[in-house]
Amino acid sequence: QQQVKQSPQSLIVQKGGISIINCAYENTAFDYFPWYQQFPGKGPALLIAIRPDVSEKKEGRFTISFNKSAKQFSLHIMDSQPGDSATYFCAATSSYNTDKLIFGTGTRLQVFP
Amino acid sequence: EAQVTQNPRYLITVTGKKLTVTCSQNMNHEYMSWYRQDPGLGLRQIYYSMNVEVTDKGDVPEGYKVSRKEKRNFPLILESPSPNQTSLYFCASRGLQETQYFGPGTRLLVL
Repeated sequence: QQQVKQSPQSLIVQKGGISIINCAYENTAFDYFPWYQQFPGKGPALLIAIRPDVSEKKEGRFTISFNKSAKQFSLHIMDSQPGDSATYFCAATSSYNTDKLIFGTGTRLQVFP
Repeated sequence: EAQVTQNPRYLITVTGKKLTVTCSQNMNHEYMSWYRQDPGLGLRQIYYSMNVEVTDKGDVPEGYKVSRKEKRNFPLILESPSPNQTSLYFCASRGLQETQYFGPGTRLLVL
């Protein structure tokens, strides 16, 4: 019940295309869903996050779509750029214990010009 | 500059030789955590701390120890490292908001 399943493991997208990464969870107590971006040799950095009271959150070219009934959420990167090439992790946690952050297994995104 | 620092960044050691990886944050954050990152497994939490002298186990605590004697520091101790602890380790901290700030990572190789 603690798992967060992430797919695909790797993704290759042409510049200007849309990148889509999907995650699914089981624990209904999860109520905070962040996405982290990690460049080679660096630590993960928060990209965007969502709570289940909204179905979508957009920040620039990055959008999280959230489906509470299906227990799924996804990251959409519009107009993907070579600078977006990185590993992306979804995560989930509960407000009761925000430090128990459960991560997905990661998606390596490569955007080619 | 607000940051989480880790030392060393790279470490090669032998089985059984005790080691400590230091972590320090300058943001006066209450909460700190340690994660390990392995290919295909993502990041898994080792230990976390809610404040000075308050720590709790994460998902993979076996073989690790931590201490939180000062608010800014949260060292990770491997008393008797084994090859299966070869990994990339990240320290993270957060304040009252949910956002965790990660350090640059420590790559550990245990021979």
